Amino acid sequence: GEDVEQSLFLSVREGDSSVINCTYTDSSSTYLYWYKQEPGAGLQLLTYIFSNMDMKQDQRLTVLLNKKDKHLSLRIADTQTGDSAIYFCAEKARGSTLGRLYFGRGTQLTVWP
Amino acid sequence: DTGVSQDPRHKITKRGQNVTFRCDPISEHNRLYWYRQTLGQGPEFLTYFQNEAQLEKSRLLSDRFSAERPKGSFSTLEIQRTEQGDSAMYLCASSGAALGETQYFGPGTRLLVL
Repeated sequence: GEDVEQSLFLSVREGDSSVINCTYTDSSSTYLYWYKQEPGAGLQLLTYIFSNMDMKQDQRLTVLLNKKDKHLSLRIADTQTGDSAIYFCAEKARGSTLGRLYFGRGTQLTVWP
Repeated sequence: DTGVSQDPRHKITKRGQNVTFRCDPISEHNRLYWYRQTLGQGPEFLTYFQNEAQLEKSRLLSDRFSAERPKGSFSTLEIQRTEQGDSAMYLCASSGAALGETQYFGPGTRLLVL
């Protein structure tokens, strides 16, 4: 099945940029997503990118997609303490007409004041 | 509509008891998904409905688990004869019908089986 890998931890200082990385194995992935989860809460959709795009920018968030290397990244500019959370990368494969998502284990982002 | 809602938010039960969770999707969404998330892991797919039809079930969904969406609106997930290994966060998501429709998640139901 699909395999999504993320580094587990990232620490940054407030005001710096954060870059969270993700690799996936299914070259037929159609959409790739970033979700944010705060302690004890559900998942909040941050942004997504279609597989025919290389980059997508949305305010402080920039998503980069390298299809050749099957690598996805999320850059958060001017990181704030409120950005501390777990960030999940997820993919929706082309063959998955039912739309199930495959998630990584999540990256715990800690922002220090 | 304020989003996907789930009830209860927390459930503590003793091993062997049955539990039932409810999910109310975003009203115009006809697709509804259940995922399970254990500590330190990402969500794992359990099952999926399009309207009232249950179209796919994961191997994770043993015969102790049953999900329904009788009128194509809210859904219930029942776990019979709970085991300690069932302790997890149970997440519901909904989306529209198009391939690119994103899934919006509810706050989850956290289950603890003692």
